[in-house]
Amino acid sequence: QQQVKQSPQSLIVQKGGISIINCAYENTAFDYFPWYQQFPGKGPALLIAIRPDVSEKKEGRFTISFNKSAKQFSLHIMDSQPGDSATYFCAASLLQGAQKLVFGQGTRLTINP
Amino acid sequence: DADVTQTPRNRITKTGKRIMLECSQTKGHDRMYWYRQDPGLGLRLIYYSFDVKDINKGEISDGYSVSRQAQAKFSLSLESAIPNQTALYFCATDPSGGRNEKLFFGSGTQLSVL
Repeated sequence: QQQVKQSPQSLIVQKGGISIINCAYENTAFDYFPWYQQFPGKGPALLIAIRPDVSEKKEGRFTISFNKSAKQFSLHIMDSQPGDSATYFCAASLLQGAQKLVFGQGTRLTINP
Repeated sequence: DADVTQTPRNRITKTGKRIMLECSQTKGHDRMYWYRQDPGLGLRLIYYSFDVKDINKGEISDGYSVSRQAQAKFSLSLESAIPNQTALYFCATDPSGGRNEKLFFGSGTQLSVL
């Protein structure tokens, strides 16, 4: 059972463009939605996260948009740079308790110079 | 940030062999996890431990076992490796004390089972 579905699997964007990665979840009890960024040869690292009491969170060029009614959330990377080329994972969990993070399938993002 | 060290970084083994992947961390985090990463499948939880006396199965624990030798050490074993266990394995720690806010991952072990 895939509780978090992520798309697209791969994405190519020109430098300066907007990169958009989408995720959908099934469990309405989830209350914490992080995004992790992974560079080749490294482990994933927390990039940005959102709680469902807000519809958007922005940190620099990275924005999470959250639609609770549709059970969807997305990562937007503005002014995409070659250094943003990485694999991105969305995830979901309950902030409290024993529920572990459930990850999406990952998106390999390539920013062409 | 947590220093999460995984050894080895790469391992090639044959079907049927016993393999142990090791993880150590230096920040005193109680919670530790083992994930595997496969293309198109994302990260899937194998086992997790909240403290030395607490071991829990994750989503895909069949064919794996773990040992929490100390707060800082969490090992993953494949008793009899099979080719479909070829994957990138990650250890992670969680300093959040139950709030699941942030995982710190090691750099991974690429395991190939021939």
